[in-house]
Amino acid sequence: KQEVTQIPAALSVPEGENLVLNCSFTDSAIYNLQWFRQDPGKGLTSLLLIQSSQREQTSGRLNASLDKSSGRSTLYIAASQPGDSATYLCAVRPGETSGSRLTFGEGTQLTVNP
Amino acid sequence: DVKVTQSSRYLVKRTGEKVFLECVQDMDHENMFWYRQDPGLGLRLIYFSYDVKMKEKGDIPEGYSVSREKKERFSLILESASTNQTSMYLCASRPPGPIVGELFFGEGSRLTVL
Repeated sequence: KQEVTQIPAALSVPEGENLVLNCSFTDSAIYNLQWFRQDPGKGLTSLLLIQSSQREQTSGRLNASLDKSSGRSTLYIAASQPGDSATYLCAVRPGETSGSRLTFGEGTQLTVNP
Repeated sequence: DVKVTQSSRYLVKRTGEKVFLECVQDMDHENMFWYRQDPGLGLRLIYFSYDVKMKEKGDIPEGYSVSREKKERFSLILESASTNQTSMYLCASRPPGPIVGELFFGEGSRLTVL
């Protein structure tokens, strides 16, 4: 059974710092991995999706990498801002069929202090 | 822009009541999902549907049922609400098969059962 772990559970940084969030998974046979952001009391917003054949994806100040063989993904946030404060979750999808279910990590709660 | 709409952001119900949570997506996606999110337990899949009138049990279907009469609408039903169903409920949709397969979430419905 796939397990997804995100460490640390919480992170507090000063504004302007570059930071890395970690996601590890136990079964490397994945179809894709997706990073989400969740603000308190809200739904999840998709940030980046990496297919299993890709090594990284970038969107603005965000860069996500994937190392399937070691079961790891990182989300790099450059020049962090207070508006980046949220919980970040990763999720892995095992296959491309309609029935393939995502497994989510529990998230890293990020606080960026002004 | 992609849109998944959950009809109620906040609901308060009494034990034993029947509860309907509605979700509508405007992206013509075949796949729709219902999750619940609880502190310490993360996101857990309740039910999903990969086509109209089709449904599959997720990891925690007990106490829930679903309805998918039209492609754009996926309803979650609590036949007799109980206090342990107090939770945040999240609806999501996804395009099928080998397309990018990004998952889109609604804003969530916070249900309290008294």
